[in-house]
Amino acid sequence: DAGVIQSPRHEVTEMGQEVTLRCKPISGHDYLFWYRQTMMRGLELLIYFNNNVPIDDSGMPEDRFSAKMPNASFSTLKIQPSEPRDSAVYFCASRTRAGGGQETQYFGPGTRLLVL
Amino acid sequence: RKEVEQDPGPFNVPEGATVAFNCTYSNSASQSFFWYRQDCRKEPKLLMSVYSSGNEDGRFTAQLNRASQYISLLIRDSKLSDSATYLCVVRGWAAGNKLTFGGGTRVLVKP
Repeated sequence: DAGVIQSPRHEVTEMGQEVTLRCKPISGHDYLFWYRQTMMRGLELLIYFNNNVPIDDSGMPEDRFSAKMPNASFSTLKIQPSEPRDSAVYFCASRTRAGGGQETQYFGPGTRLLVL
Repeated sequence: RKEVEQDPGPFNVPEGATVAFNCTYSNSASQSFFWYRQDCRKEPKLLMSVYSSGNEDGRFTAQLNRASQYISLLIRDSKLSDSATYLCVVRGWAAGNKLTFGGGTRVLVKP
């Protein structure tokens, strides 16, 4: 199993540019999560999907952020326009339906974003 | 107050020693608890779930204290490879599939 795949692994961009992060979940997993991690705020959930449908986007910081999941094997997180405070590591995670409240989320390697 | 709080450390531990640290959570309705491990510049990975009666996985022991709303992780016979950040993770009953992560406790095992 290839695990969760994210691209790009590193992104350096200038303020005001559009940034698109990509994620391919583990095959057969029907939940997909986008997280952001910074030193100041730790790991924060931005949005999650179930069967390609956005379920909770309350963690999305503002309208500059948008996420889509057009099919079961692909999701994007877009920032437009980007700002220096968006600099962080963005993780995608996926999991299958779990029973009994126990679950394992499998994280991708992350995308390190630096906005200058 | 943060939903999940951890001592950031670092805990400097001699190789072979035992180290233990706690995590407190604010939502008394929280249902599921986990410890994740994150190595430097890597993604978090599940270390172990935490069950009400406490549970052990090799050198790792996790405990849950619902009355005081904390969970703990104990590492026995520490190895150099145990050096990492340990993330406390909580899921509330009304949280659906959302997990709340603590800020992490950094552990450094030294020879």
